Amino acid sequence: EIVMTQSPATLSVSPGESATLSCRASQTVSSNLAWYQQKPGQAPRLLMSGASTRATGIPARFSGSGSGTEFTLTISSLQSEDFAIYYCQQYNNWPPWTFGQGTKVEIK
Amino acid sequence: QFQLVQSGGEVKKPGASVKVSCKASGYTFTNYGISWVRQAPGQGLEWVGWVSAHNGNTNYAQKVQGRVTMTTDTSTNTAYMELRSLRSDDTAVYYCARERGIAVRAFDIWGQGTMVIVSS
Repeated sequence: EIVMTQSPATLSVSPGESATLSCRASQTVSSNLAWYQQKPGQAPRLLMSGASTRATGIPARFSGSGSGTEFTLTISSLQSEDFAIYYCQQYNNWPPWTFGQGTKVEIK
Repeated sequence: QFQLVQSGGEVKKPGASVKVSCKASGYTFTNYGISWVRQAPGQGLEWVGWVSAHNGNTNYAQKVQGRVTMTTDTSTNTAYMELRSLRSDDTAVYYCARERGIAVRAFDIWGQGTMVIVSS
């Protein structure tokens, strides 16, 4: 099973600043990496697939990078609606598809 | 618009079974697979399993293997997940999610979630 490790667990950021979230895989997942955003009481929402391809309707302030085992999600100029929990997920090897434990982006 | 609508919450006793439904609309159901993902209270996301709406093939997480059955009904565009021999640690919100495609198996559409509580 591929273990996904996200860091940090919590990120405190002021509105308008940028945030950088990291995700590491225990073995290579190529570019088969997705990012999701989840707000309280809501289902997750797909932000990014293929490590760097934004999903439909996702603003350009969200960008993804990386391949192999190291990945980054960057949110530039954080808006109030961006404060949420972010999960990475690999879909390279299954079963199972695996998620990171999440990074909470909170208002500083 | 693409949509997955799930059945309502359930409260079950340990050892019982639960069957959750997930009705798809707005797209060709048989062209995609459906995964089920669960989230225990205050915890992260855990993949439970996958079913192909094209041919009914399945793949399950080892943790639930032997207790779970995932099926689809193409006449009603509905996916089902049945979980048997429920335990307290099965308490979670269960989501169905559409896999975007064969090459990009990220989850692009999610249901609203179904809360399953296992308690005596």
